[in-house]
Amino acid sequence: QSALTQPRSVSGSPGQSVTISCTGTSSDVGTFNYVSWYRQHPGKAPKLMIYDVNKRPSGVPDRFSGSRSGNTASLTISGLQAEDEADYFCCSYAGTYTLLFGGGTKLTVL
Amino acid sequence: QVQLVQSGAEVRKPGASVKVSCKASGYTFTNYYIHWVRQAPGQGPEWMGWMNPNSGGTNYPQKFQGRVTMTRDTSVITAFLELTWLTSDDTAVYYCARGGSASYYDALDIWGPGTMVTVSS
Repeated sequence: QSALTQPRSVSGSPGQSVTISCTGTSSDVGTFNYVSWYRQHPGKAPKLMIYDVNKRPSGVPDRFSGSRSGNTASLTISGLQAEDEADYFCCSYAGTYTLLFGGGTKLTVL
Repeated sequence: QVQLVQSGAEVRKPGASVKVSCKASGYTFTNYYIHWVRQAPGQGPEWMGWMNPNSGGTNYPQKFQGRVTMTRDTSVITAFLELTWLTSDDTAVYYCARGGSASYYDALDIWGPGTMVTVSS
């Protein structure tokens, strides 16, 4: 199974919105409602930001939202802040007891 | 406070094995799946498998079958990852992460700090 496809980088100015895509197939993202998103600052462990496609864990600001269309899931961050600059990666259940990660997207806040 | 604490950095020669530990605290260890994820320098994460700490049941992706073993010791609420026949491609940060309470496909909500494993001759 190939990794989920994410853009290598995106950028935006403070206060703007950015969307990061995560493209899979009908065997993973397109079928299962188990897509999650993680934020990772340099040298730190990942942090869960979105689960089950569009749910936010307690403590995650509502500036973060998730969605899916067909085989592509998306993470949208509105009202960009300097602290949002980080790597973001997606993850999906891929059937047969397995998980699949994306390659990661570096978000730069200009 | 729910947290996972991992063992320290390791250096191994090619062909050797490594065993990384992950000690849980702040929750009932046997109630949640434990996943292992690794991340090579500058790369995206790679899922290595899950373990059910209650039953000891495991599942590994085909890439790692025969080379990876996930175990646990409930008496010390610790999970272990052992990887054998190391090559330079195994140089990475290895993370343990807490999964769902009922399902292996649930999101990973708590992560350990990571253990750097370096394979070099």
